[in-house]
Amino acid sequence: SQKIEQNSEALNIQEGKTATLTCNYTNYSPAYLQWYRQDPGRGPVFLLLIRENEKEKRKERLKVTFDTTLKQSLFHITASQPADSATYLCALGETGRRALTFGSGTRLQVQP
Amino acid sequence: GAGVSQSPSNKVTEKGKDVELRCDPISGHTALYWYRQSLGQGLEFLIYFQGNSAPDKSGLPSDRFSAERTGGSVSTLTIQRTQQEDSAVYLCASSLISGGANYGYTFGSGTRLTVV
Repeated sequence: SQKIEQNSEALNIQEGKTATLTCNYTNYSPAYLQWYRQDPGRGPVFLLLIRENEKEKRKERLKVTFDTTLKQSLFHITASQPADSATYLCALGETGRRALTFGSGTRLQVQP
Repeated sequence: GAGVSQSPSNKVTEKGKDVELRCDPISGHTALYWYRQSLGQGLEFLIYFQGNSAPDKSGLPSDRFSAERTGGSVSTLTIQRTQQEDSAVYLCASSLISGGANYGYTFGSGTRLTVV
């Protein structure tokens, strides 16, 4: 069966450290992958897009990698801040399917 | 508008009643999506509209759910004869053209539906 797995347990890190979140998928062939941030009571907010032929994308303190052999994407936040505390969702896009398929998200808590 | 607007923000309804949820997408965004999110769960795709094309209804969980998009803009999601398992946050998103491969989605804040 198809699965998108993100750590269900919260990730707790100290301010200033790098947070690394994992998104693993099974029985998908994504052409692209997106990461979103979701705060309580709000809709998800788009952060980054990476395509299957790209290994890495960066935006300010954010970095995303995409390994189609491992069927995994890693999402990094460097120099993390308490304001980065939120739930982060990965979403897969497949050719021929017009809507993204979302994982259930990982909650990140950055301690001051 | 500046963002995706959804109304109402909260809706409590009695089991068996019909409800209508509204989404006003960003002007110029031709793609519109409905998802729902249950507590602690990921987003579940419901339906997708792209311009004048026939909508992709493959995610609708039952025939009690329907949606329309008038004039390529505002969309309404209707749930008939609501059940308690319909309780969730219903999220609407829009994007330029058929997003995903080139653009991210812009989500509204959602409608929290509680069926009692």
